Amino acid sequence: EVQLVESGGVVVQPGESLRLSCETSGFTFDDYSMHWVRQPPGKGLEWVSLITWDGGSSFYADSVEGRFTISRDNSRDSLSLQMNSLTTEDTAFYYCVAERKRIWDYWGQGTLVTVSS
Amino acid sequence: EIVMTQSPATLSVYRGERATLSCRASQTVSRNLAWYQQKPGQAPRLLIYGAFTRATDIPARFSGSGSGTEFTLTISSLQSEDFAVYYCHQYNTWPPGTFGQGTKLEIK
Repeated sequence: EVQLVESGGVVVQPGESLRLSCETSGFTFDDYSMHWVRQPPGKGLEWVSLITWDGGSSFYADSVEGRFTISRDNSRDSLSLQMNSLTTEDTAFYYCVAERKRIWDYWGQGTLVTVSS
Repeated sequence: EIVMTQSPATLSVYRGERATLSCRASQTVSRNLAWYQQKPGQAPRLLIYGAFTRATDIPARFSGSGSGTEFTLTISSLQSEDFAVYYCHQYNTWPPGTFGQGTKLEIK
């Protein structure tokens, strides 16, 4: 059974940092590029970041460029997102997503990040 | 940036009837278009990719069509479990692209 389990979502204050994790199982992790996608409560989906299968390349949405860093550990089948200088605009559910050959097959259940003073 | 526009924002349909959801791209995305279903409190679920290919275990009542800038998701004979929010997603641009704002499919 394929599983992606995000963790790390909590309530933080503006300007603080947070690290999200995504633990995976049930598929060949290093065959997949990995994404973070976020969704503010009650709103639509926004792509956040991508890392290629080998970790060699990473990409970011303009809204998080320079503040967020995506990484992966293929030996542990895990994905991370380091988020710095958080603002209220970053409040959202964060999903990790596995993509292979442009097919976004697998999604985690999400973890909620709340940025509030 | 390619803008994806879904219509209508909300669609009310009776159980057993057909639902037709639309997605328009501001420029061509070829057939690099996916559809997702999202139920309350759940993650999005991939329904269709490549504009018309059903994902694993997706019932045949879900079908996708279109290419270029105009796409349609059709759900024939709506079941209770089909009432949800549906998103289109273009991945023609890479790094990946953009989502539509969603269509809420509700019971009439």
